[in-house]
Amino acid sequence: GNSVTQMEGPVTLSEEAFLTINCTYTATGYPSLFWYVQYPGEGLQLLLKATKADDKGSNKGFEATYRKETTSFHLEKGSVQVSDSAVYFCALRYNQGGKLIFGQGTELSVKP
Amino acid sequence: NAGVTQTPKFRVLKTGQSMTLLCAQDMNHEYMYWYRQDPGMGLRLIHYSVGEGTTAKGEVPDGYNVSRLKKQNFLLGLESAAPSQTSVYFCASSRFDRGLYDEQYFGPGTRLTVT
Repeated sequence: GNSVTQMEGPVTLSEEAFLTINCTYTATGYPSLFWYVQYPGEGLQLLLKATKADDKGSNKGFEATYRKETTSFHLEKGSVQVSDSAVYFCALRYNQGGKLIFGQGTELSVKP
Repeated sequence: NAGVTQTPKFRVLKTGQSMTLLCAQDMNHEYMYWYRQDPGMGLRLIHYSVGEGTTAKGEVPDGYNVSRLKKQNFLLGLESAAPSQTSVYFCASSRFDRGLYDEQYFGPGTRLTVT
């Protein structure tokens, strides 16, 4: 079946460090891929998305590229800030009902 | 434009009690979803609706019922709460237009504790 696997957290970085959060997926067909972010005490917000192979999603300095050959959608940011501290969820969407399948989430903590 | 709102924000129930969580959206979205979030498990889909008067089961539907009597509202019911239903519940909605699904917009969540 369809599934998403993320690297385990928590991830702790110093401000201005480089961030990578790994995400791999298993799916039939060609799903769309997403990264959502959840700040403390809030709901999820869409961070970026990619709808087909080799697409790059980007937003707020974050990037992720849809790699069909490695079934991956790793999240990267060149220089993290304290305000990036949150939980990040990778997700895939397949066509039936537009439903999302989420990874387990990766908590990021950025220290000044 | 409030987006997606959820009522209540917090609730404590005793085992066997019932309750209803309300989700409302003011974006005229066709699709609505209920998820639960548990530590280390991400979000899992409980039920969803593709339009007024329709509902369908998601990944973890047991112990929950839903209703969508109005397009803007999606209710999640627990008939007889169990400690295993202690979780944070999120509602989401999305548009479906010309064969394409739009992004899902999430509410702020309801933290439910069953003792």
